[in-house]
Amino acid sequence: QSVLTQPPSASGTPGQRVTISCSGTYSNIGRNTVNWYQHLPGTAPKLLMFSDDQRPSGVPDRFSGSKSGTSASLAISGLQSDDEADYYCEGWDDSLNGVVFGGGTKLTVL
Amino acid sequence: EVQLVQSGAEVKKSGESLRISCKGSGYRFNTYWISWVRQMPGKGLEWMGKIDPSDSGANYSPSFQGHVTISADKSIATAYLQWSSLKASDTAIYYCARHKYSDSSVLDYWGQGTLVTVSS
Repeated sequence: QSVLTQPPSASGTPGQRVTISCSGTYSNIGRNTVNWYQHLPGTAPKLLMFSDDQRPSGVPDRFSGSKSGTSASLAISGLQSDDEADYYCEGWDDSLNGVVFGGGTKLTVL
Repeated sequence: EVQLVQSGAEVKKSGESLRISCKGSGYRFNTYWISWVRQMPGKGLEWMGKIDPSDSGANYSPSFQGHVTISADKSIATAYLQWSSLKASDTAIYYCARHKYSDSSVLDYWGQGTLVTVSS
């Protein structure tokens, strides 16, 4: 059981907007920023969003992040077939004194 | 260009020891923490622990404390993940990743992964 909770799956059609949620507690999301990773099978995970809503260089602005209280969200607009991947939220947990991940959300582009 | 290059796939038997490596290049290795992350077959990412290469100080997830050892040799810009006695349940892909900032969990660069297969 992961410390951060994500829906196991999400889906959308090309061009749609989809949102992936990430729920935590005060000791992680409530006190620290949230990061998101995109993971394609057989490849290294890729940093997609950091510090709640900051995009690394090269990540298109179709991807956006937000946080409120103990929950965070990743939104993908203008969905493309290349976006089909697993998405993970992640943050620091002060109680565990370590990094925690969500269980991952498998995004399917229909 | 920042790169983390991991050692190759391993096939081991239960009870054997193993050390896998992660070599950093393109940046000052001792300035950035390195974490190790496990992905078991068909499962999600799990943080195992991290090391500060400047002083080799490591801390571990409670789930992995006592079962693995994380170390680093800053003179050759390499971090290690080590087992003294493997179990079949250690079969997984292991990734190393660099922390973008000190005191931050942001993992900005990742190694390509090392597949470890342990047979019973």
